[in-house]
Amino acid sequence: NAGVTQTPKFRVLKTGQSMTLLCAQDMNHEYMYWYRQDPGMGLRLIHYSVGEGTTAKGEVPDGYNVSRLKKQNFLLGLESAAPSQTSVYFCASSLSPLGNQPQHFGDGTRLSIL
Amino acid sequence: RKEVEQDPGPFNVPEGATVAFNCTYSNSASQSFFWYRQDCRKEPKLLMSVYSSGNEDGRFTAQLNRASQYISLLIRDSKLSDSATYLCVVSLLKAAGNKLTFGGGTRVLVKP
Repeated sequence: NAGVTQTPKFRVLKTGQSMTLLCAQDMNHEYMYWYRQDPGMGLRLIHYSVGEGTTAKGEVPDGYNVSRLKKQNFLLGLESAAPSQTSVYFCASSLSPLGNQPQHFGDGTRLSIL
Repeated sequence: RKEVEQDPGPFNVPEGATVAFNCTYSNSASQSFFWYRQDCRKEPKLLMSVYSSGNEDGRFTAQLNRASQYISLLIRDSKLSDSATYLCVVSLLKAAGNKLTFGGGTRVLVKP
């Protein structure tokens, strides 16, 4: 029972490089989310998806792009990495957008931009 | 003012003692409330939902005060394994679905 799987778990990039973070869920959830977590800031929503082929901006979308070509996968892209994007990135999924449905999180990706 | 605020702590708690802490939220239209637990360098996991009448789950009690716009979490008979960061999460229903806002977390350290 994998739940939500994120790859890679760690990555170090140089400023200006690009990369894609992959999130996969096997729970048939419609809703998927990408967050970043910084010390003292709590989790902040970057982008989210309400279904295959649909994405929307969250609280801090600048510098990131996402795609949801398949229901089970939600990709987060950094086109040109900046040191301010050094963070821990969490993907989550939920059965529905209703407030009483919990979100299930992946293990996180620790990304450092030099 | 942050939408969801928590005392970052740490709360240093002797094993077996009781600890309680609050979380305040700014939007009175918030509808659902949760406590998540996050261990060091791990992902957040749902601890419990918070219901209007208050609710218990074993040693954990959650309460909601809509008038003063805060929720609370109380841990009785603290165990060493309760050491973690507790995240307050507030949900607001919008046209595109619910918006979850996370607090910065309250760190709890249970010591022998």
